[in-house]
Amino acid sequence: DADVTQTPRNRITKTGKRIMLECSQTKGHDRMYWYRQDPGLGLRLIYYSFDVKDINKGEISDGYSVSRQAQAKFSLSLESAIPNQTALYFCATSDPTPLNEQFFGPGTRLTVL
Amino acid sequence: DQQVKQNSPSLSVQEGRISILNCDYTNSMFDYFLWYKKYPAEGPTFLISISSIKDKNEDGRFTVFLNKSAKHLSLHIVPSQPGDSAVYFCAASADQAGTALIFGKGTTLSVSS
Repeated sequence: DADVTQTPRNRITKTGKRIMLECSQTKGHDRMYWYRQDPGLGLRLIYYSFDVKDINKGEISDGYSVSRQAQAKFSLSLESAIPNQTALYFCATSDPTPLNEQFFGPGTRLTVL
Repeated sequence: DQQVKQNSPSLSVQEGRISILNCDYTNSMFDYFLWYKKYPAEGPTFLISISSIKDKNEDGRFTVFLNKSAKHLSLHIVPSQPGDSAVYFCAASADQAGTALIFGKGTTLSVSS
């Protein structure tokens, strides 16, 4: 079984709809992250959480919100989706070490029409 | 301003030859540098890392070199294999900053047989 899972894997939605992407992990890590990947732009950080009571904005948090329901669960919401939020979204986890090696989920491909 | 830069969007190499992927950074506070590999429809996976106190780290066919004075690192793959064809991301970690990894935009490596 995968250590970091994301649901759904693919989603097509319309402009203005609310959508939630979910991430679960069995690695027992405290730290969790949400990134988006766009062609030519690499991985950009949206939000991150170092424990259940900790939420921090990343580089591109506008238009997104998150919820850390438990150590193992971290969800990303788009309150009112817009077409330029069409992207690949990745969840990741890590231990609090200096190396900060992160373990990524398989990704969610989101298309906003 | 980009703190981690991968200036070559793509690289093509023949099977058996050496692949050299480059990465430049601007922040002298980075403690670790990591390379991730990403196949289509999968999340990035950790490949190799190097501490800022070292200048070389080797793992099988993969070697990472760090030149701190030039703020430059490179990933060498020898010999290159068709299965190495993927997107490679350079990332940096600054433990004191207490934040997530900072990624470059990635280099797409194509190894032809």
